[in-house]
Amino acid sequence: KAGVTQTPRYLIKTRGQQVTLSCSPISGHRSVSWYQQTPGQGLQFLFEYFSETQRNKGNFPGRFSGRQFSNSRSEMNVSTLELGDSALYLCASSSGQGTNEQFFGPGTRLTVL
Amino acid sequence: GEDVEQSLFLSVREGDSSVINCTYTDSSSTYLYWYKQEPGAGLQLLTYIFSNMDMKQDQRLTVLLNKKDKHLSLRIADTQTGDSAIYFCAEKEDSSYKLIFGSGTRLLVRP
Repeated sequence: KAGVTQTPRYLIKTRGQQVTLSCSPISGHRSVSWYQQTPGQGLQFLFEYFSETQRNKGNFPGRFSGRQFSNSRSEMNVSTLELGDSALYLCASSSGQGTNEQFFGPGTRLTVL
Repeated sequence: GEDVEQSLFLSVREGDSSVINCTYTDSSSTYLYWYKQEPGAGLQLLTYIFSNMDMKQDQRLTVLLNKKDKHLSLRIADTQTGDSAIYFCAEKEDSSYKLIFGSGTRLLVRP
């Protein structure tokens, strides 16, 4: 079974630009969660989608948004990028039920200059 | 509030056992997880434990849960240099599907 894939793996943007990151979950999984990982703040939950609906949301500004498609693939978008948005963005795939074991992709490393 | 705490660093000799500790605050947590992260990689799920269990063993890994003290530990038997990584514990709230992560414990295995 293929794992979680994230594209692109690396991205360099400048302040004020916007960016879209993509995540393809494990086949059969209906839940996709997004996390931001930085040295200062650690791993922080952004949002979770289940069957195309945002089910949970973390404490991030509205510049961070996401969506999920009918095939469970998910995208997250960050608008008006700030230097502090530089981070590793991790996507996790799960069944969305029960034990909710979350399987992570390799991440997208975003650098904002 | 939600908070998960871990010690930052642990150094052990190859072949010894490693014990990584974690404390959490949310008494409604239903599942607790251990993840491993190697440099430049995502998080690898190692194991999890349901909150009504005291212990779970999976090959070289043993998870102990003290629900009264909200204390979780991960014991790695016969630690190898390939076990060098950052280990995160995480809790799942009963009412949501998000995970709350600790800050991670960096394990260094000395030859």
